[in-house]
Amino acid sequence: AQSVTQLDSHVSVSEGTPVLLRCNYSSSYSPSLFWYVQHPNKGLQLLLKYTSAATLVKGINGFEAEFKKSETSFHLTKPSAHMSDAAEYFCVVSAGAAGNKLTFGGGTRVLVKP
Amino acid sequence: DAGVIQSPRHEVTEMGQEVTLRCKPISGHDYLFWYRQTMMRGLELLIYFNNNVPIDDSGMPEDRFSAKMPNASFSTLKIQPSEPRDSAVYFCASSPTGRNYGYTFGSGTRLTVV
Repeated sequence: AQSVTQLDSHVSVSEGTPVLLRCNYSSSYSPSLFWYVQHPNKGLQLLLKYTSAATLVKGINGFEAEFKKSETSFHLTKPSAHMSDAAEYFCVVSAGAAGNKLTFGGGTRVLVKP
Repeated sequence: DAGVIQSPRHEVTEMGQEVTLRCKPISGHDYLFWYRQTMMRGLELLIYFNNNVPIDDSGMPEDRFSAKMPNASFSTLKIQPSEPRDSAVYFCASSPTGRNYGYTFGSGTRLTVV
């Protein structure tokens, strides 16, 4: 079985300050991990993915995430928030026999203040 | 590649009417997923197909919902009869085989049942 926990349902940051979105996962197998972003009234877009190569993964729009097996974490960060980063972010795990079936976290809604 | 294409983008219908949502996956992707998203329940997996065959429909809320995939390039999600509580955004996603790819999502269909 696999599961994902996003530790914050809402995060508020000021423009220009760092963003940290926390994600912990549980998996019986070596996982693949993803972050998706959903802007208001839009579909989900892949930000980045970890697939057992480098543990520090860089994605689009300046985001990056670090896979830490010992902590079962895959936190998403960005050094400097932009107004356009206001969106909902989903941490996702894929593992096991049903490798094509993804398990989504509950989402973190990011508010960026000017 | 045009991505995953969903139609219509918006649908407003009266309670009791039949609603059909359509999806064209990315060519070469052999998995197709239907999701529903609401504020109250978040993102829910309704059903998914592999090579046009339904694999898991345990998320389909009730018999009023049905999904088909007659060929590799087309799928439908039908609600008959529709009810106001079916109002949601319905997403289609596709992926190739393998757990490292993640899903590509369509832009969604916003369904309102009045």
